[in-house]
Amino acid sequence: EPEVTQTPSHQVTQMGQEVILRCVPISNHLYFYWYRQILGQKVEFLVSFYNNEISEKSEIFDDQFSVERPDGSNFTLKIRSTKLEDSAMYFCASSDSNQPQHFGDGTRLSIL
Amino acid sequence: GNSVTQMEGPVTLSEEAFLTINCTYTATGYPSLFWYVQYPGEGLQLLLKATKADDKGSNKGFEATYRKETTSFHLEKGSVQVSDSAVYFCALRGWGAQKLVFGQGTRLTINP
Repeated sequence: EPEVTQTPSHQVTQMGQEVILRCVPISNHLYFYWYRQILGQKVEFLVSFYNNEISEKSEIFDDQFSVERPDGSNFTLKIRSTKLEDSAMYFCASSDSNQPQHFGDGTRLSIL
Repeated sequence: GNSVTQMEGPVTLSEEAFLTINCTYTATGYPSLFWYVQYPGEGLQLLLKATKADDKGSNKGFEATYRKETTSFHLEKGSVQVSDSAVYFCALRGWGAQKLVFGQGTRLTINP
């Protein structure tokens, strides 16, 4: 069965540094998403992406965040200047139109 | 805005016990409802879904019925196994929306 793959599985970064989290969505999906889960809290929506542009974003997704689909397979989340409170598990998901979203295994981001 | 509330965890049961995890929601219009499961060290996997009132989603012995009158989508299983130990997330997707709104998750532990 096709999977969403995320790399790396764990990223450790110094505060203030830029970080890029990578995702390969399922190949025939058109909608892409990023969510995050701070330890012990709910899974929160960050952003959705369709047709090469952001279709929806949450209040969390401020100017420090950006997403990109640099080629036909990858979908990336960039945090420009990381803060301690960015430490979380970040999940990528993809879907086909109104079908359920398929999630990757996540990237654990630790900001020191 | 839309929201999901799940019963507080953790829940600990013996093998072959009956399981109920409560989920209620607040949403305008006609949301789609989902249960996702997260096994240790893995991402979120779709367990079951229901897209309209009175629909029953089912998978791997788990069931949930979309009850519009009580705004609920409780997860049930008649006889749990040790392998069902995981974190279970109730989620909704609002009418016409793409993003998922999650409950806080319920950690389930099944003892042999």
